[in-house]
Amino acid sequence: DTAVSQTPKYLVTQMGNDKSIKCEQNLGHDTMYWYKQDSKKFLKIMFSYNNKELIINETVPNRFSPKSPDKAHLNLHINSLELGDSAVYFCASSQKLNTEAFFGQGTRLTVV
Amino acid sequence: QQQVKQSPQSLIVQKGGISIINCAYENTAFDYFPWYQQFPGKGPALLIAIRPDVSEKKEGRFTISFNKSAKQFSLHIMDSQPGDSATYFCAASKGYQLIWGAGTKLIIKP
Repeated sequence: DTAVSQTPKYLVTQMGNDKSIKCEQNLGHDTMYWYKQDSKKFLKIMFSYNNKELIINETVPNRFSPKSPDKAHLNLHINSLELGDSAVYFCASSQKLNTEAFFGQGTRLTVV
Repeated sequence: QQQVKQSPQSLIVQKGGISIINCAYENTAFDYFPWYQQFPGKGPALLIAIRPDVSEKKEGRFTISFNKSAKQFSLHIMDSQPGDSATYFCAASKGYQLIWGAGTKLIIKP
């Protein structure tokens, strides 16, 4: 049983398209995150949800919209994809803030 | 105030040697300092973490040393093994803030 699972693992799409990445955690955690990891491996937090409420919304284009239908799910929708959006996107969860975060396997997004 | 500076960017260590990665932070309000390990194609995974009320924490071959006055903390990997080859991230957090270091690519040579 995968603790944090995200789909798809790979996503290749054309500029201008809209795409979604889904994330589910079966750990019963209250907090979920979306991270972006660029080609230099730098990790940047994008969003954090606590009990379905948006807590952290870092400076990301408003083309990125997270949606949390329930505590176990946090999906990421991206509109009008650009070349610069190409990266690996990680979903993560933790019991609460400032505790161990469990990461999914990542979604490698390539915009062509 | 919000940066966590991690060094070195890359590190090559002989098998059996000690690997040392350093991080420095600025915000004295940070109260949780984790280290994550990431293998290629995988998400980061928590390796070890420390809170500022202790100066050292050891788990197996991995030790965090924490210097509150210098606002620095470091990861020491004793008896480094080829299986330790990975990218290591330090981080610092307080409340809703979690600031990551830029990562260190560690290669252990057999």
